[in-house]
Amino acid sequence: AQSVTQLGSHVSVSEGALVLLRCNYSSSVPPYLFWYVQYPNQGLQLLLKYTSAATLVKGINGFEAEFKKSETSFHLTKPSAHMSDAAEYFCAVRSFSNAGGTSYGKLTFGQGTILTVHP
Amino acid sequence: DTEVTQTPKHLVMGMTNKKSLKCEQHMGHRAMYWYKQKAKKPPELMFVYSYEKLSINESVPSRFSPECPNSSLLNLHLHALQPEDSALYLCASSRDPGTVVTDTQYFGPGTRLTVL
Repeated sequence: AQSVTQLGSHVSVSEGALVLLRCNYSSSVPPYLFWYVQYPNQGLQLLLKYTSAATLVKGINGFEAEFKKSETSFHLTKPSAHMSDAAEYFCAVRSFSNAGGTSYGKLTFGQGTILTVHP
Repeated sequence: DTEVTQTPKHLVMGMTNKKSLKCEQHMGHRAMYWYKQKAKKPPELMFVYSYEKLSINESVPSRFSPECPNSSLLNLHLHALQPEDSALYLCASSRDPGTVVTDTQYFGPGTRLTVL
């Protein structure tokens, strides 16, 4: 089964500092990986996704992530944190399942990392 | 446009009530999903609809009853819920449920449900 592990349930940075949120995956096949952000009392917004086209993926709001097969990692980074980046971030892996003759893709999420940005 | 809308935003109900959550998308997506998210936890998949047919039920109790009247609309009917069912209920949609592994799910803002 495919899974993702997010290292660090809480990350705190100063405004303007580098943001690094860690995600490691476990998969026996090439994974399809996603980062979502969830602001308080809101749904999930897609930040970026890895689909094997390029190892460095650029997303919205200045975020990017690099797929490293040798390290089984897909860490999320942003060079300079902004107060508006404070939110919870979820790494997810999409697996392909078959149940009762029906195929579907299933997202499995990590436990989430809460990012706090200090002025 | 990648908007998924959900109503109501908040819902408070008693254990004997019957209520419904509504989800709508107009992106032409053929897969729709219900997730449940407890506080400080990641979303957990409940149901998947593929081309308006229920494809997946992740062992959800029968007090939750999904319905997909058409390709744009997804409902979740609630009856005889328990206080532990209090959570954020998220709807998502994607273009194609199974043939494209990289198919991306887009989420709605959620309905915050409180069961008294």
